[in-house]
Amino acid sequence: EIVMTQSPATLSVSPGERATLSCRASQTVSSNLAWYQLKPGQAPRLLIYGVSTRATGIPARFSGSGSGTDFTLTISSLQSEDFAVYYCQQYNKWPPWTFGQGTKVEIK
Amino acid sequence: QVQLVESGGGVVQPGRSLRLSCAASGFAFSNFAMHWVRQAPGRGLEWVATIWYDGDTQYYAGSVKGRFTISRDNSRKMLSLHMNSLRDDDTALYYCAKDFGHSDYFFDLWGQGALVTVSS
Repeated sequence: EIVMTQSPATLSVSPGERATLSCRASQTVSSNLAWYQLKPGQAPRLLIYGVSTRATGIPARFSGSGSGTDFTLTISSLQSEDFAVYYCQQYNKWPPWTFGQGTKVEIK
Repeated sequence: QVQLVESGGGVVQPGRSLRLSCAASGFAFSNFAMHWVRQAPGRGLEWVATIWYDGDTQYYAGSVKGRFTISRDNSRKMLSLHMNSLRDDDTALYYCAKDFGHSDYFFDLWGQGALVTVSS
């Protein structure tokens, strides 16, 4: 099983600032890496797949990068609606499909 | 409207059974694999089960294998999760999710979830 590790657990950022979230895999996942956004009471939303491809309707301030085992989600200028919990997920080797433990982006 | 709507959640005693359903609309349901993912209180996302587009293949997380059964009815555009021998640690918000397809197995559409509470 591929273990996904996200850091930090909590990120405190002011609106308008940049947020950088990290995700590390216990073995290579090639480019089969996705990011999701979760807000309480809402359906989870796919943000990024294939490391860096934005899903339909996702603003350009969200970007993904990395390869192999180390990946980054960057939110270039945080908007109020971006405060949420973010999860990375690998889909290179399954089952199981595995997620990181999440990074909470909170208002500083 | 493209959406997934879960139903069937509730409070159930340990050892009992519960069935979750997920109604799909707005896309060609029979063309896509479907998944169940859960989130226990204060925890992260955990993949639970997957069923192939034709229903012929299923995969399960080790924590639910032998107790949960995923199924689908393509004619009704419905996904189900039959949960038997429920335990306290099955308490979670259960999401159904649509597979992206094109041989890339990530989840591009999610429902809002159904809450399952296992408690005596």
